[in-house]
Amino acid sequence: KAGVTQTPRYLIKTRGQQVTLSCSPISGHRSVSWYQQTPGQGLQFLFEYFSETQRNKGNFPGRFSGRQFSNSRSEMNVSTLELGDSALYLCASSPGGTSGTSTDTQYFGPGTRLTVL
Amino acid sequence: AQSVTQPDIHITVSEGASLELRCNYSYGATPYLFWYVQSPGQGLQLLLKYFSGDTLVQGIKGFEAEFKRSQSSFNLRKPSVHWSDAAEYFCAVGPSNAGGTSYGKLTFGQGTILTVHP
Repeated sequence: KAGVTQTPRYLIKTRGQQVTLSCSPISGHRSVSWYQQTPGQGLQFLFEYFSETQRNKGNFPGRFSGRQFSNSRSEMNVSTLELGDSALYLCASSPGGTSGTSTDTQYFGPGTRLTVL
Repeated sequence: AQSVTQPDIHITVSEGASLELRCNYSYGATPYLFWYVQSPGQGLQLLLKYFSGDTLVQGIKGFEAEFKRSQSSFNLRKPSVHWSDAAEYFCAVGPSNAGGTSYGKLTFGQGTILTVHP
């Protein structure tokens, strides 16, 4: 099976712009989670989607949003970019079955490196 | 709230030496636990996971980890380190009874950078 893919791999934007990142989960996986990784804050959970519904959201401002399509592909959007949004954005997919079982195991993509100038 | 602590920010070992990376978690119920490895500029690769049952779990690349409930620990071990093991290692905890605000959320430690000397 192909792994989780993320596009683009690298992105450079300027402050105030908006950006959209894409994630294609492993075939058959219905849950997609997004994380932000920075040297100062480490790995932080952004949100999770399952069957096109956001089920959980981390402690990030409303500038961060996402969605999931019927084929389980997911996008995240960051509007009005700030310098502090520079980070590696990782998405992870899991089968998304019964919680607390192996179906919750998350498999990560290579990430999108966003640089905000 | 759940949390994960990796006490060692940076560990250096010689190739062929044994390795133990520490991980302590805080969680009200039995968690499920993971170790991931990240090479520079890459995503996270799953090394192993613990959900229930045998407290000693085997993973890929010769790694193993032991869940100790009494110590709230899930330490990662490898008997003989290879130069290719140099990377950053993350311990993560997920809720065993997800729902509401717990879906799809892993809480990560700050990571341990492993350097391997030849």
